[in-house]
Amino acid sequence: DVKVTQSSRYLVKRTGEKVFLECVQDMDHENMFWYRQDPGLGLRLIYFSYDVKMKEKGDIPEGYSVSREKKERFSLILESASTNQTSMYLCASSSGQSNSPLHFGNGTRLTVT
Amino acid sequence: GQSLEQPSEVTAVEGAIVQINCTYQTSGFYGLSWYQQHDGGAPTFLSYNGLDGLEETGRFSSFLSRSDSYGYLLLQELQMKDSASYFCAVRRGGSNYKLTFGKGTLLTVNP
Repeated sequence: DVKVTQSSRYLVKRTGEKVFLECVQDMDHENMFWYRQDPGLGLRLIYFSYDVKMKEKGDIPEGYSVSREKKERFSLILESASTNQTSMYLCASSSGQSNSPLHFGNGTRLTVT
Repeated sequence: GQSLEQPSEVTAVEGAIVQINCTYQTSGFYGLSWYQQHDGGAPTFLSYNGLDGLEETGRFSSFLSRSDSYGYLLLQELQMKDSASYFCAVRRGGSNYKLTFGKGTLLTVNP
């Protein structure tokens, strides 16, 4: 089974802090994604990566950046955390094959105070 | 842009059949997927329709009509464990990667 592991289940940070959310997958998948999930808004794509060092903006990239230095690891960075970034963050991966499903991690609940 | 519409909540009883509809507006449609998410858990893939018609996987089936920009997830012989949120998602044109998700349908199965 594919395993997508997010480093923290819960995280509390202060406004203005730099925050790193880490995600590791063990299936040699080409694609990795960061979504945020908010009540009533569903899942919204922040960034994704289709190869090492390659990235593309999703629908809501503002205030975020990403890093993919190794194939198995995809990091989401909040340069200066704000309260409106309080959310559940979900990492996912998929193979490079057409129509391959997304495999999600269990999420990181980030609270910015 | 892209948009997906699905009901916010559905309630049913054990053993019943429930259908969760999804209508979408997107450019360059490449397929409709369904994901299940239990409270506190990760979304998990259920099904994918790239062509018109019905796909069946055990108690779950998914249908797509591209001409109507419409699909549905059909859950049969409902069990309490089916209580979860269900998301439809479209794969957008020009990209093998980007999925846009609907806002989700919370299904509650009562005894």
